[in-house]
Amino acid sequence: QVQLVESGGGVVQPGRSLRLSCAASGFTFSNFGIQWVRQAPGKGLEWVAVISYDGINKYYADSVNGRFTISRDNSKNTLYLQMNSLTAEDTAVYYCAKKVVPTTMVYGMDVWGRGTTVTVSS
Amino acid sequence: QTVVTQEPSLTVSPGGTVTLTCASSTGPVTSGYYPNWFQQKTGQAPRSLIYSTNKKHSWTPARFSGSLLGDKAVLTLSGVQPEDEAEYYCLLFYGAAWVFGGGTKLTVL
Repeated sequence: QVQLVESGGGVVQPGRSLRLSCAASGFTFSNFGIQWVRQAPGKGLEWVAVISYDGINKYYADSVNGRFTISRDNSKNTLYLQMNSLTAEDTAVYYCAKKVVPTTMVYGMDVWGRGTTVTVSS
Repeated sequence: QTVVTQEPSLTVSPGGTVTLTCASSTGPVTSGYYPNWFQQKTGQAPRSLIYSTNKKHSWTPARFSGSLLGDKAVLTLSGVQPEDEAEYYCLLFYGAAWVFGGGTKLTVL
């Protein structure tokens, strides 16, 4: 079945970096865009970034633009989120979610991973 | 800064019908915003219910439906079940970005 599994979360000091991964299975990964969404403790969902199926188009939320980089390795069926200059405000559960329709950046998402927790604290 | 607004909380009786709305600070919500709706229960990952205004996933129960009403996107639950108690989020597309609403906490009582 279609599955997304996030990893790479942990506790990191402010100002440091962390790289998250999202391993995909059960579908043709290279045909679908993928999004990162986060949720701070006790808060709502926040869209973070999206990457097109071919890795060419990338868009970011203003809150992370210039600090986070989304990328993918279609040969490994894996999505990444490189997070630099982390602050306490980046503390959240990070989810990856697959786009519903292949080769398009619109329409929205269908399958979500279970998330990985990032805690930024000294 | 674009803001997407949802009712903070709603209460519905079992078997009843409830409508959740999603408004944009930029103006009327149209199909071009590709409205999505998600359900999240406590301690769980979000689950997709509706995409592109009114399209259901294979797992979406028939009692859930999406539409546009006036200048908002709408999620309607008909014949509410106790297991529908959850937080519901809408998501709108703004060209190069997506924005979530603040969420509606639905209580079934």
